[in-house]
Parts: sequence; C-alpha cells; structure tokens
Amino acid sequence: QKEVEQDPGPLSVPEGAIVSLNCTYSNSAFQYFMWYRQYSRKGPELLMYTYSSGNKEDGRFTAQVDKSSKYISLFIRDSQPSDSATYLCAMRGTGANNLFFGTGTRLTVIP
Amino acid sequence: DGGITQSPKYLFRKEGQNVTLSCEQNLNHDAMYWYRQDPGQGLRLIYYSQIVNDFQKGDIAEGYSVSREKKESFPLTVTSAQKNPTAFYLCASSVGTGGEQYFGPGTRLTVT
Repeated sequence: QKEVEQDPGPLSVPEGAIVSLNCTYSNSAFQYFMWYRQYSRKGPELLMYTYSSGNKEDGRFTAQVDKSSKYISLFIRDSQPSDSATYLCAMRGTGANNLFFGTGTRLTVIP
Repeated sequence: DGGITQSPKYLFRKEGQNVTLSCEQNLNHDAMYWYRQDPGQGLRLIYYSQIVNDFQKGDIAEGYSVSREKKESFPLTVTSAQKNPTAFYLCASSVGTGGEQYFGPGTRLTVT
C-alpha cells in the first residue's frame, strides 16, 4: 500500500464550479499537510500548508484535514480556467525530512 | 527577486555519459533537496542536504551523486549507473528540514 493515495483524474469542471480534490494516507505520524499546484512543465508551487486537523482558508482555496479518517481535501471555489493544473498533496511527520507526495490530480476548468 | 533556479530547462544526453544538473537558491535556505518526477509516480526524493558539506540519501539515490560546497548551490550528477535517467528533475529548498519546501522550475533530462 502506498503511503499517500490520490486519484489521478483527470477531472474536468465548468468555470465557476466548486472543485474537491482529495488524498488519503496510511501513516498516522503525518502531522504536516501541503497542497501544491503544478502547471505543465513547471515546478510545483506551494498553495496551502496546514498542521494537524482542521480547516485553513486562503482566498478561493480551503484545505481540510481529518486525521481520524486519514483524509485531506482541497476545495477550490469559483474555479477559473487559470486553475487548470495538476494538484499534488504532500505530507510529513514531525521532525521528518521526507515529504511523501501523492501522484497528483489533473484538473481542467472549462470556460 | 528571491527564488530557486535550475539550469538547463532541457537536457539531452547519450547513454553512458554523466550529466550534472544545476540548482541555485538565493532564499538563504539551509536545506536543499532533489526529487525526480515520473508520470503516474509522484515525486521521489533522491538526495537532501541540511547544511553545507553534508547530505543524505533519499529513497532512490542509486546512480546519482551530489555535493554541497556552498549554501546556495546543490548540483546533482546523474551517472551512467542510473538505469532509467530520463525524467523531470526538481530541486527544492526550505528554511530547515522541517520547513515548507519551495521548488525550482525543473530540468527535463532525456537520455537516448
């Protein structure tokens, strides 16, 4: 079983839709959770960084962590064509050097 | 402007040749990392360095080597011993090993 599982998609939504992206994980030691956005042939860009359980909001983006279910989500409200990219989840334990990444979900927002 | 630069963007090599990928950062970060990205596999850690003149192997270090002689620079050499070198290589840095990692634009290496 992989440490982090992420549905690769692809996911296509109309402009203005609410998008939900998800990852599950198996290691209960993970405490720090991240979402990265990666445009085609570019490096990943850090979008959200959260610690432990709970919600964090930044503009149209909300990151949610449910440690009891080992499940994290990224919600994008009022999605725009410029949101079309691959979204990667990543996580690590306290004091750990390694980040564990999901395989990424490719999102297309159709105008 | 602070950031991470990687060069070149595209690199082509013949099988059996060693090749060195450049990574430079001016963020004053102590920790630097090299990842490899393959389709459908996510990012995998090759090497990381927490401080100058020190580095550790990641999950897939075989066939790769690194050096960290300066805080700003963390070059990666892909040796001829790496069986499947064609991939997208990403360099990252963070304030400390537990901090948020920021990525460079990547180098796409093709070996034929």
